Amino acid sequence: GQNIDQPTEMTATEGAIVQINCTYQTSGFNGLFWYQQHAGEAPTFLSYNVLDGLEEKGRFSSFLSRSKGYSYLLLKELQMKDSASYLCASGGGADGLTFGKGTHLIIQP
Amino acid sequence: GAGVSQSPRYKVAKRGQDVALRCDPISGHVSLFWYQQALGQGPEFLTYFQNEAQLDKSGLPSDRFFAERPEGSVSTLKIQRTQQEDSAVYLCASSLASRQPQHFGDGTRLSIL
Repeated sequence: GQNIDQPTEMTATEGAIVQINCTYQTSGFNGLFWYQQHAGEAPTFLSYNVLDGLEEKGRFSSFLSRSKGYSYLLLKELQMKDSASYLCASGGGADGLTFGKGTHLIIQP
Repeated sequence: GAGVSQSPRYKVAKRGQDVALRCDPISGHVSLFWYQQALGQGPEFLTYFQNEAQLDKSGLPSDRFFAERPEGSVSTLKIQRTQQEDSAVYLCASSLASRQPQHFGDGTRLSIL
C-alpha cells in the first residue's frame, strides 16, 4: 500500500521562506513529485526528485531522503500568488501517482 | 492545443443518469491518467492508459465506471447509473512517457443531484 502525509494547512508571511514537509510509505518507489493547485484549477507540476538531495528551481526547491521516506518543498521570497494547495505525490510501483491530501498555504501581507 | 483539455467543464446530472467525460491529452503524450478529486482532498488515481491499452484500472470505484482510449489519443470516462457519491472533480493528466511528470487538465466538476 501507499501512504502520504503532509500538514493540512500552513501560514506564512509575504517575503519570507516556508518549508512544507511530506512523509511517504510506498511499496515500490519511482520518484517524489510536488504539484501546486489553486482553487478550481488544475494541479501544475513543480518538481520531481528520484535521487536523494536537493533540487533547486528558482524560488522553489525540493529535497528527498529515500531512506527516511521524507521530502520537503521550500518556497523562498513568498508572494501573495503562492497562496495555494501544495500536493506531494509518490510515483509508486504502478504508473499512477499517489497524492497526499495537500497542504493549504496561506500567505499573509 | 498546448495543454490537456477536458470537457465539459461542469456537468450536472440526476441520480441514475449516465455521464461521459472527455479528455484531450497533449499531442504525442503516450500516457494518460484519470483521477478523482473530492473537495479538500488530493487527487485519487482511477485508471491509466499507455496509448490505447488500459494497463491499470485498479482505482475505478465500481463496475459503473468505464474508461476508454480507442485510438490512443482522446479518452472518455463514462459513469453509468450515477450516484450522489460520484460528485467530485474528475481530472485527466497526460505524460510523454510513463513515470514522467504528468500534466493535468482543469477537470470536470460533476454534481449528481
